[in-house]
Amino acid sequence: SQQGEEDPQALSIQEGENATMNCSYKTSINNLQWYRQNSGRGLVHLILIRSNEREKHSGRLRVTLDTSKKSSSLLITASRAADTASYFCATDEGGAQKLVFGQGTRLTINP
Amino acid sequence: GAVVSQHPSWVICKSGTSVKIECRSLDFQATTMFWYRQFPKQSLMLMATSNEGSKATYEQGVEKDKFLINHASLTLSTLTVTSAHPEDSSFYICSASSRVGFNEQFFGPGTRLTVL
Repeated sequence: SQQGEEDPQALSIQEGENATMNCSYKTSINNLQWYRQNSGRGLVHLILIRSNEREKHSGRLRVTLDTSKKSSSLLITASRAADTASYFCATDEGGAQKLVFGQGTRLTINP
Repeated sequence: GAVVSQHPSWVICKSGTSVKIECRSLDFQATTMFWYRQFPKQSLMLMATSNEGSKATYEQGVEKDKFLINHASLTLSTLTVTSAHPEDSSFYICSASSRVGFNEQFFGPGTRLTVL
């Protein structure tokens, strides 16, 4: 499976600041999902955005999707130390049931 | 709901031995299960997709004779790493889906395999 691109690869910010991560993919999709992974743990599903949606919110999370640019962004507002984790986007461009993951962004929130 | 467990959570074995990892869906029936491998500081790479009662479909470059997958029931899939070598050391994560043709997946906590 091809992997999408995410940037930045690593991001370190102060607690309370906003964190923005970007994801790009290669082919057409039906939906895009964002996951969080704490070190050495499994994945936690954060949010799913469909191809006909441009923006979606969930708590402190805001996801945008631009299908013309084949890109998505994840914004975490008012970051907390507990947000420290790796964040991955995943698309269904691998086929009906397959997920293709981006390279991930390692986010560090400094207290 | 939608809880997936993996066992063991970590395992250390000697080179040449085989290791079995279990993936269970605890509160739903998983028509499809997926196995991923993740190397340190890297993303998840899909290894194979398995449907209950049928042979697994392996991704390009994944040796099916080395990574044996058995999806014997709607709640259990197993991955056996045969004749493990140090390069097989990795974090193995399974996921399960209850809806055919839809890519909502629920992930297990992962299994850390270290081959000495």
